[in-house]
Amino acid sequence: NAGVTQTPKFRVLKTGQSMTLLCAQDMNHEYMYWYRQDPGMGLRLIHYSVGEGTTAKGEVPDGYNVSRLKKQNFLLGLESAAPSQTSVYFCASSYRWGKENQPQHFGDGTRLSIL
Amino acid sequence: RKEVEQDPGPFNVPEGATVAFNCTYSNSASQSFFWYRQDCRKEPKLLMSVYSSGNEDGRFTAQLNRASQYISLLIRDSKLSDSATYLCVVRRYSGAGSYQLTFGKGTKLSVIP
Repeated sequence: NAGVTQTPKFRVLKTGQSMTLLCAQDMNHEYMYWYRQDPGMGLRLIHYSVGEGTTAKGEVPDGYNVSRLKKQNFLLGLESAAPSQTSVYFCASSYRWGKENQPQHFGDGTRLSIL
Repeated sequence: RKEVEQDPGPFNVPEGATVAFNCTYSNSASQSFFWYRQDCRKEPKLLMSVYSSGNEDGRFTAQLNRASQYISLLIRDSKLSDSATYLCVVRRYSGAGSYQLTFGKGTKLSVIP
């Protein structure tokens, strides 16, 4: 059972380069999320999606774009990478929120360095 | 005031000790509460949900006080394997049929032999 899979796990970019982080989940979850985690800042939500074809901004969306063309995949794009985007990126997914508490399941992270 | 606040620690405790973590949240409309655990350089993993009546899972006990907007996690008989960062997480409705989680910055626990 793969759960949430992120690719790549590590990447080094030069300022101005672009790249896409891929998140895939095999749990048929409706909701998917992208977070970044920086020292002393905790996890901050970048963008999220409540279903195929829909995306929404989170707390820190600037400099990022996302797409959810298929239910199982959520892509995070950096069009022009900046050193401030050096971080650890986590993808998460969950079932649609209902009466029961539905936890988020996380991928194991992508460590991205922008030089 | 930050939406979710935790004591960052670190808490350094000997094996077998009892340790308590506190968390406060500012949005009274928050609906669900969780404790996550994050090991160094790993992803966060759900430890337990927090229910209004309080709940226990083995050595772990979670409490919620909605009036004070306060959540706690108690770990009894600490093990070396409990060393991690504990994240307080709050869920609230964010409009348009969607919900968001807000994570605290975490409290670091080191259990010492």
